[in-house]
Amino acid sequence: GAGVSQSPSNKVTEKGKDVELRCDPISGHTALYWYRQSLGQGLEFLIYFQGNSAPDKSGLPSDRFSAERTGGSVSTLTIQRTQQEDSAVYLCASSQFRGQGPTNRNYGYTFGSGTRLTVV
Amino acid sequence: RKEVEQDPGPFNVPEGATVAFNCTYSNSASQSFFWYRQDCRKEPKLLMSVYSSGNEDGRFTAQLNRASQYISLLIRDSKLSDSATYLCVVRPPILTGGGNKLTFGTGTQLKVEL
Repeated sequence: GAGVSQSPSNKVTEKGKDVELRCDPISGHTALYWYRQSLGQGLEFLIYFQGNSAPDKSGLPSDRFSAERTGGSVSTLTIQRTQQEDSAVYLCASSQFRGQGPTNRNYGYTFGSGTRLTVV
Repeated sequence: RKEVEQDPGPFNVPEGATVAFNCTYSNSASQSFFWYRQDCRKEPKLLMSVYSSGNEDGRFTAQLNRASQYISLLIRDSKLSDSATYLCVVRPPILTGGGNKLTFGTGTQLKVEL
């Protein structure tokens, strides 16, 4: 598609329930990222997928969080047993990433409009 | 020390003013640098990349000082529509496993007033 698409745009869930957030990146973008942003806070890195490489999960805050990227395209972020502190806007982004090495140019991210998760 | 540090502001300036934002980063081997803009309750959008030689895009000028690990954004002739939060963004070196992951500052809020 023309942009990064995320669904749902808003999700209200009860504490303890599981949620799934979906991200459909820009066609042809090999890299996909999940970040979250709590009210008035900066963006917190969660996980990064690059092509067929093993994902960088270093930002996932607990084992209740997991993500998959099927077929190198759509990604799903799953939060199990949600807690109130999970309430945030979950942002997905995608980018091109051509080549490796210090001279590689970074094309920057394109973000989706996010999923606003509220745990009550 | 945070990887990317910015003055949170807010910067309240009159329309037409020139305003400058600064940002420092901790990893001297960082590869790429950007400024993003985020409007209230919206996603961040790429404003401009920052190159070592400095670069300009209309009313916006970005500069990088690698020796001081410092990035700046200058907005000239500010407009009401420039009101937003400006995020300083850094890509860590690939060789440390950072890949294409970007690190975002917490942002500097700009309010342009009549």
